[in-house]
Amino acid sequence: EPEVTQTPSHQVTQMGQEVILRCVPISNHLYFYWYRQILGQKVEFLVSFYNNEISEKSEIFDDQFSVERPDGSNFTLKIRSTKLEDSAMYFCASSELIAGSPLHFGNGTRLTVT
Amino acid sequence: AQRVTQPEKLLSVFKGAPVELKCNYSYSGSPELFWYVQYSRQRLQLLLRHISRESIKGFTADLNKGETSFHLKKPFAQEEDSAMYYCALTLGPSGGSYIPTFGRGTSLIVHP
Repeated sequence: EPEVTQTPSHQVTQMGQEVILRCVPISNHLYFYWYRQILGQKVEFLVSFYNNEISEKSEIFDDQFSVERPDGSNFTLKIRSTKLEDSAMYFCASSELIAGSPLHFGNGTRLTVT
Repeated sequence: AQRVTQPEKLLSVFKGAPVELKCNYSYSGSPELFWYVQYSRQRLQLLLRHISRESIKGFTADLNKGETSFHLKKPFAQEEDSAMYYCALTLGPSGGSYIPTFGRGTSLIVHP
């Protein structure tokens, strides 16, 4: 069964550095998402992406964040100038259609900002 | 804004006991509700959704619009049901967004 893959599984970075989290969505899916989960808190929506542009974003997704689909397979989340409070589990997900289709999640990237 | 509340962080039961994981939501329209599950060392995955009205792995959930609830139930818990369970809501076609909003999750532990 096809899966969403995320790399790396764990990323440690220093405050102020830029990080890029990578995701390969399921190949025939059209919608891509990033969520994050700070330890002990809820899974929070960051951004959704369709047809090479952002379709929705949350208040969390400020100018520090950006997403890109640089080629036909990868979907990346860039965090510029990381802060301690960016430490979280970041989940990528994809879905076939947006209208009620379930999300297929990756295993997540644990980001630790020191 | 819509909100999903899972009041229990942890639910601990013995094998064979009934299980009910609570989920309440706040949204005045007609939402679509889902339950996602994350087993140990596995990815978050869809368990069931209210529009399907199906039973998956013995679990069922009924949308109660009067009580704005979507509790997940199973009559006889099994050890393999131990996992993190997340309730999620989308606004549906009337709300103009299909982006799921998640609750904070309930950890279910089923003891032998």
